[in-house]
Amino acid sequence: QVQLVQTGAEVKKPGASVKLSCKASGYTFTNHYMHWVRQAPGQGLEWMGMINPNGGSTTYAQKFQGRVTMTRDTSTSTVYMELSSLRSEDTAVYFCARDHNDGYYLLGYWGQGSLVTVSS
Amino acid sequence: SSELTQDPAVSVALGQTVRITCQGDSLRNYYATWYQQKPGQATVLVIYGKNNRPSGIPARFSGSSSGNTASLTITGAQAEDEADYYCNSRDSTGNPVVFGGGTKLTVL
Repeated sequence: QVQLVQTGAEVKKPGASVKLSCKASGYTFTNHYMHWVRQAPGQGLEWMGMINPNGGSTTYAQKFQGRVTMTRDTSTSTVYMELSSLRSEDTAVYFCARDHNDGYYLLGYWGQGSLVTVSS
Repeated sequence: SSELTQDPAVSVALGQTVRITCQGDSLRNYYATWYQQKPGQATVLVIYGKNNRPSGIPARFSGSSSGNTASLTITGAQAEDEADYYCNSRDSTGNPVVFGGGTKLTVL
C-alpha cells in the first residue's frame, strides 16, 4: 500500500532554511507527482507546489517562488522540500501528498505531516 | 489568482443530510475535489471529478456542481463524519492547484 513517511518536527530560527523529506513506498515512485501542502496552526490548507519525480520538473505556487525548492532522489524514492528565509508565519505542518491515479492534480495519498516551528 | 470560498462551519443532526459548498470562478471550468481532515489522521480524498469516490469512501458521500459552486453532500451523516472538509480545484489563472478555506462539520 502507498506510504509516505515524513521528517520529524523541526525548530528553526528566523532567516534559516528547512529541508523536509518524504519517503515514498508501495508504488512506482517515478509514476506519480508529489505535492507539498502546508497548514498553519488553526488555519486551512495551502498548496505550495509539486514535483514530477520522472525528470524532476517542478511547479511552485506564486507565493513561494524564489523561496521554495523541491527535489527528489529516485534511488531512495524520496522527495524533498526546502524553504528558505523562514519567518514566523512559516510555522506550520507541512504535508507531502501523492497524486491519484486519475489526475496529477488530485491529492490521493497524504503523509502524516512535519511540524516546522520558526522561533527566535 | 483564483480563490475558493467555503462556509467556515456547518452542523447537521445525526442521520440527516448536509451539504457543504465551495464557490469560485475556477469551478466554472474544473471540477472540485473534496478532502476530509480529522485530527491526528491523514487527510483523505473523498470526492473527485464529476462525482467519483475513491475505494473505501462510503456511498453517503456525493458531489455535484452548478456554475461556480460545487457541493459535497453527506446523506445520513454519521458521527465519524465530523471533520474539516476542504475543496480544491485546478486553476488556469494562477496557481495550478487552489484550496478553499475549509468547513468544519459538526454532527449533533
